[in-house]
Amino acid sequence: DAKTTQPTSMDCAEGRAANLPCNHSTISGNEYVYWYRQIHSQGPQYIIHGLKNNETNEMASLIITEDRKSSTLILPHATLRDTAVYYCIVRVVNGNKLVFGAGTILRVKS
Amino acid sequence: DADVTQTPRNRITKTGKRIMLECSQTKGHDRMYWYRQDPGLGLRLIYYSFDVKDINKGEISDGYSVSRQAQAKFSLSLESAIPNQTALYFCATSENRGGSSDTQYFGPGTRLTVL
Repeated sequence: DAKTTQPTSMDCAEGRAANLPCNHSTISGNEYVYWYRQIHSQGPQYIIHGLKNNETNEMASLIITEDRKSSTLILPHATLRDTAVYYCIVRVVNGNKLVFGAGTILRVKS
Repeated sequence: DADVTQTPRNRITKTGKRIMLECSQTKGHDRMYWYRQDPGLGLRLIYYSFDVKDINKGEISDGYSVSRQAQAKFSLSLESAIPNQTALYFCATSENRGGSSDTQYFGPGTRLTVL
């Protein structure tokens, strides 16, 4: 699975959009981009995933660049409960594991 | 998400003891996984199972064993616990979707302390 690079930490004001970047310059054509988050030692929570096209669900939007070498997770209106570690993971289709890096600590502040 | 449950949620045990962590799911998924997480680090895969008759080692299987008793149940055993197995343990499940991506869904975790 391709390696990902994320900023160590980010701050966001409550009610504003949180934009979390991820670089995955060695991604292969059959690898998806997944985002999970983990709130204080709870089980990781699935957020969204995509292959080539931008994706949106009730939690977030995922913007993938045309060359697929980077992506951005967007939380449109961050709340205090969105404070967590966010993991960007690149994974082959039907791969057996998720490889969690260090992730980005997102702090949402009032 | 109550679809994936883990028992116990917390456990303190002594070196050399045998311990079993249990995972149950009501999602109807074929695939189940066990991960461990050490403080400040990402999750690492211990074992995984793609169906009831299938067991596979992950990247850190030494010192652990598993049992897939049914589609819905996947247990992790530490035959003789040692202090460096102190960690958070997570169970996950995913659906077999053939050539499409299979999203993994995690349980709430078990905090294990080996003294």
